[in-house]
Amino acid sequence: DAGVIQSPRHEVTEMGQEVTLRCKPISGHDYLFWYRQTMMRGLELLIYFNNNVPIDDSGMPEDRFSAKMPNASFSTLKIQPSEPRDSAVYFCASSLGQGFSGYTFGSGTRLTVV
Amino acid sequence: DAKTTQPTSMDCAEGRAANLPCNHSTISGNEYVYWYRQIHSQGPQYIIHGLKNNETNEMASLIITEDRKSSTLILPHATLRDTAVYYCIVRGIMEYGNKLVFGAGTILRVKS
Repeated sequence: DAGVIQSPRHEVTEMGQEVTLRCKPISGHDYLFWYRQTMMRGLELLIYFNNNVPIDDSGMPEDRFSAKMPNASFSTLKIQPSEPRDSAVYFCASSLGQGFSGYTFGSGTRLTVV
Repeated sequence: DAKTTQPTSMDCAEGRAANLPCNHSTISGNEYVYWYRQIHSQGPQYIIHGLKNNETNEMASLIITEDRKSSTLILPHATLRDTAVYYCIVRGIMEYGNKLVFGAGTILRVKS
């Protein structure tokens, strides 16, 4: 099992550009989560999906952020336009059921907006 | 609202047991105690969880007090690779859509 796969590992972009982060969950997992981590705010849940359907997006900071899950094996988090304050590490996680036996996290994407 | 309280940081000698405390005085009957850790530059990693009985797996042991208001995660023989941030999380399991919410955690430094 390759685990949760995120790409790219690092992304540097200029302010105003569109950024797309990608995630491949573990096969068979029906929940997918997007988290953001900064020094100031720690780990924050942005949005999560169940069976490809967004369930709770209350953590999405603003309309510049959007997430999709077109199928069970792929999800994207898009920021358009990006701003320097979006600089953070973005983690994707997946779980079987609601994850009561644990979530599996990916290695994260470190985003730097200059 | 913070449901758990953990020390900001702890040190442990390599090869010794690391005992990480967590207070969760407002825990309710259907809430489990979860532990995750995050090694530098990696995603969080699930360690263990429990309701009221002590639990043990290949990574750690979880000791929950009888009144469930506090718990201790025990790494029996800490190694340098156990240096990480350890998160204690209280999470209910009965409600649909219950989320995993991370606090600040405890920075554990294992020293040789």
